[in-house]
Amino acid sequence: SQKIEQNSEALNIQEGKTATLTCNYTNYSPAYLQWYRQDPGRGPVFLLLIRENEKEKRKERLKVTFDTTLKQSLFHITASQPADSATYLCALGGDFNKFYFGSGTKLNVKP
Amino acid sequence: DTAVSQTPKYLVTQMGNDKSIKCEQNLGHDTMYWYKQDSKKFLKIMFSYNNKELIINETVPNRFSPKSPDKAHLNLHINSLELGDSAVYFCASSQDLVVGHEQYFGPGTRLTVT
Repeated sequence: SQKIEQNSEALNIQEGKTATLTCNYTNYSPAYLQWYRQDPGRGPVFLLLIRENEKEKRKERLKVTFDTTLKQSLFHITASQPADSATYLCALGGDFNKFYFGSGTKLNVKP
Repeated sequence: DTAVSQTPKYLVTQMGNDKSIKCEQNLGHDTMYWYKQDSKKFLKIMFSYNNKELIINETVPNRFSPKSPDKAHLNLHINSLELGDSAVYFCASSQDLVVGHEQYFGPGTRLTVT
């Protein structure tokens, strides 16, 4: 079965730096990959989608890359702010819009 | 206006009881989902419905029974609750079944079974 790995350790960075989060997967070839943000006590919120034939996608300060050979996606937040502190989940897309989620990486941006 | 709402927000109950969680979306979406998020934060799909029709039924004990009275509502009924059912349950919706359409999540229901 598919396996999705995100760094379970929190990522601590200083405000203004670029945060880079990693999502690795095995035993699966997703047509899509999505990134979500989850704040404590709330449901995940969609951020970005990238298709298997796309290398990179950008939205404001966010950038996602998708390497189907390495089976890896990188999620970057440039000029990070304390308000970016949250848990970030990657999700692999399958048939019938069924998504498999990773366990997320917690990002702490310190002022 | 809340896009995807769930009730209750918290549910504390004893083993063996039967409970229900309700979900409603006002986005006009065709597809709705139930997810379970365990203590390790893994978000796992349980069910999905499209226009009231069951589409995805993961390996979930048959004590869990979803019901969709119309495409705006997807309720989850759980019989004979067990300690291992303790988790946060999220309802979500998407425009349709087209792969890649983003999912909108509700605020979650924290179920604690004692």
